[in-house]
Amino acid sequence: RKEVEQDPGPFNVPEGATVAFNCTYSNSASQSFFWYRQDCRKEPKLLMSVYSSGNEDGRFTAQLNRASQYISLLIRDSKLSDSATYLCVVGGGYNKLIFGAGTRLAVHP
Amino acid sequence: EAEVAQSPRYKITEKSQAVAFWCDPISGHATLYWYRQILGQGPELLVQFQDESVVDDSQLPKDRFSAERLKGVDSTLKIQPAELGDSAMYLCASSLDPGGNTEAFFGQGTRLTVV
Repeated sequence: RKEVEQDPGPFNVPEGATVAFNCTYSNSASQSFFWYRQDCRKEPKLLMSVYSSGNEDGRFTAQLNRASQYISLLIRDSKLSDSATYLCVVGGGYNKLIFGAGTRLAVHP
Repeated sequence: EAEVAQSPRYKITEKSQAVAFWCDPISGHATLYWYRQILGQGPELLVQFQDESVVDDSQLPKDRFSAERLKGVDSTLKIQPAELGDSAMYLCASSLDPGGNTEAFFGQGTRLTVV
């Protein structure tokens, strides 16, 4: 079993749609959680951290469920510019940051 | 805004040749990571430094790869000899705190093509 698992997608959605991604992790000792965004052939960039109480930043909402060991990312009112790969990142459990394989999102007009 | 610097941006090398990548992390960041990313996959950790010490190199192919961070600041990743399967993006990242407890900031990466 992979340490961090994501549905690779792609998720093809129209502009204005709401889309949600889930990510599961295997190490219950993990302490830090992040979502990164990666555009094609570019480096990953931090989108948001995920706190136990959840985190919201504009159209983006991240949630953590420690009991079930998953984190989620919700994007409301999707824009064309949201098209990218979203990487789930888990840290602390093995004293390092572990990346999922990413979920591809394609927003179309 | 402080950035992680990497060079070169692109590198084409013939198999069996040696190649080296350089990374300068954000000033004050004690933790430095080297990741390898193959197209369509997530970044895979190769080596993690805390200051000048290696804290994790379990996924580093030590027969051909080496990494150092002699003064605990910038770092070099070397491959010798390069193989066709080493073609990938090599990403350097740094973070303030150790242990994967804080977010990492990435450089633009070095795209390696082995021919």
